[in-house]
Amino acid sequence: NAGVTQTPKFQVLKTGQSMTLQCAQDMNHNSMYWYRQDPGMGLRLIYYSASEGTTDKGEVPNGYNVSRLNKREFSLRLESAAPSQTSVYFCASSERLNTEAFFGQGTRLTVV
Amino acid sequence: ILNVEQSPQSLHVQEGDSTNFTCSFPSSNFYALHWYRWETAKSPEALFVMTLNGDEKKKGRISATLNTKEGYSYLYIKGSQPEDSATYLCAFKSNTGFQKLVFGTGTRLLVSP
Repeated sequence: NAGVTQTPKFQVLKTGQSMTLQCAQDMNHNSMYWYRQDPGMGLRLIYYSASEGTTDKGEVPNGYNVSRLNKREFSLRLESAAPSQTSVYFCASSERLNTEAFFGQGTRLTVV
Repeated sequence: ILNVEQSPQSLHVQEGDSTNFTCSFPSSNFYALHWYRWETAKSPEALFVMTLNGDEKKKGRISATLNTKEGYSYLYIKGSQPEDSATYLCAFKSNTGFQKLVFGTGTRLLVSP
């Protein structure tokens, strides 16, 4: 039982390049989330998907797009990377609204 | 914008000390309060999910209390051990909209042998 799996774990991009962060969960959870974590700040929600087929913006969605490909997978795309998007990105999932979130191991992204 | 604050930002204690942290959150539209433990180079792991005013939860030497009317929760660690060193996050979930989790910035605990 892998839980929440994110790929890649590390990535370096040049300004203007694009990339997709992949996330998959094997717990049959309905809800999935993408967060970013920056020094001195809490985990900030970028996008979320309440259920398969739906996505919505969180606190800091600018510069990102998401796809809920199926119940298992939720990807985050940077169309044109900027240095301000240098961060650690976490994917998470939860079963129901009042249950705990399970996190992936994170992707450390550097944009130069 | 929901404001979730944690204090202190960091704490350094000796092995065997007991300690506690505070999480403050909006006292209106409460749905749930989560506590997570986040070790360096790992991902956050849930400690408690609390939903009722007056809730008290315990897991080993760690316990938490909840006061939704005044908007705070305490996390206690009894007899701290070096393996308790981690960042402790709280997260608030409102009963409006999607009820997404809003995280505090965490309390970083270092326990020295």
